[in-house]
Parts: sequence; structure tokens; C-alpha cells
Amino acid sequence: DAKTTQPPSMDCAEGRAANLPCNHSTISGNEYVYWYRQIHSQGPQYIIHGLKNNETNEMASLIITEDRKSSTLILPHATLRDTAVYYCIVRVAWPDQGGKLIFGQGTELSVKP
Amino acid sequence: DTGVSQNPRHKITKRGQNVTFRCDPISEHNRLYWYRQTLGQGPEFLTYFQNEAQLEKSRLLSDRFSAERPKGSFSTLEIQRTEQGDSAMYLCASSYSSSSSYNEQFFGPGTRLTVL
Repeated sequence: DAKTTQPPSMDCAEGRAANLPCNHSTISGNEYVYWYRQIHSQGPQYIIHGLKNNETNEMASLIITEDRKSSTLILPHATLRDTAVYYCIVRVAWPDQGGKLIFGQGTELSVKP
Repeated sequence: DTGVSQNPRHKITKRGQNVTFRCDPISEHNRLYWYRQTLGQGPEFLTYFQNEAQLEKSRLLSDRFSAERPKGSFSTLEIQRTEQGDSAMYLCASSYSSSSSYNEQFFGPGTRLTVL
């Protein structure tokens, strides 16, 4: 079973920041938080991951709370092409357990003009 | 780098027939994963390979399912005696991982199976 909880859906206005929350209250010290998204009829796409520090890349920022029990994915200027299902996934980093991803239901983000 | 490719993209078959799907991972990736996704659900892990060795199989992978990666490059997923419940999107992903690092998985576009 997935170890994360996400709202089923969210709306965001085009050009505004999209803030997608994720609860992972049972996360262990050796687990990373990963975010993937899936645009309709495509395979999932990696966005970002982090352990305990905030992370930023060209796609998004990831803010992890100090107790690591929740995180927020931020898309700073959402566009219509960001409309997708966003998955927050907790994955064991060590020892190596193969790296399989356990997906939950995700958050369906709709970016509206 | 052409990404992960899967063939065919769509397959329609009749109940009881056998089907085989192919996945070509990114060339230097040593790990290959298979997932299944039904409508409205997130992908579910089925199995994974490190090089040619199949290291884990989900209990979702019944005896009718078999996966191979004979030379550590492309992989095939075969479903024998298909059932209507096998209708789903079958996703393949690959990654490069070593003893000291994980890297993200890159997914293919999937093969959509419809069993009539």
C-alpha cells in the first residue's frame, strides 16, 4: 500500500503557483520523497526527489517539513501543459530494495486559463 | 537517447489468447521495471530486472504472466490465456542504479491491452 496521502484533485489558474501537498507521516529515516506526474495517455514522468532538505530543479521545488511528515511540490508558474496527475511516493533509499515505486491515487491537477 | 520504447502501443485480443509485449529501455540502464495501470488508478508494480536477473515479482503477477530480459537489454512480458481483468495499460520503466546510488525511473508510453 502507498504510504502517502494526497488530495484527489486541485485547480490552479494559469500563471499562478501550484502547491500540491502530500502527507507521509510514517516515513522512515532511510526513505526519500519522490514526485512523478502523468499527463493523460502518457507514462509517468519524474519531477523531483528529496530526503530532508528543500530541493529545486528546472521543473519544480520540493519543500519538506522539518519532521519530514509532509511535503509540498511547487510549480512556480503553472501552464496548461502542467495539467496531469501528480504522484507523491515514498521510496526506500538504503539498503537497496530494488527501487520499485508504490503509487497511490495521486492528485489530479487542472490548470485553467 | 531515444527514451524507453514499448511495442505495440495498443493490443486488442480475445479472451483466452496469448499476448506478448516488448520494452526497449534506455541503453545504459541496468534496471527494468514492469507496472500495470487500470483506469483511474496509479500504476502497480509487477516485476523488475537487474541486468538479466529477475529479482522481484509482485503477487499481482499470476502464473499466467511471465517476463524475460534474456540479454539484459530489451524485455518481454507475456500473458497467457488472457482474461478480461487483464485489460490495462502495461508500463515499462528503466533506470541505472549502482550499490551507491539510485537514479530516477524513466517510463515508456505504455501498451494498452483490451481483452474482449
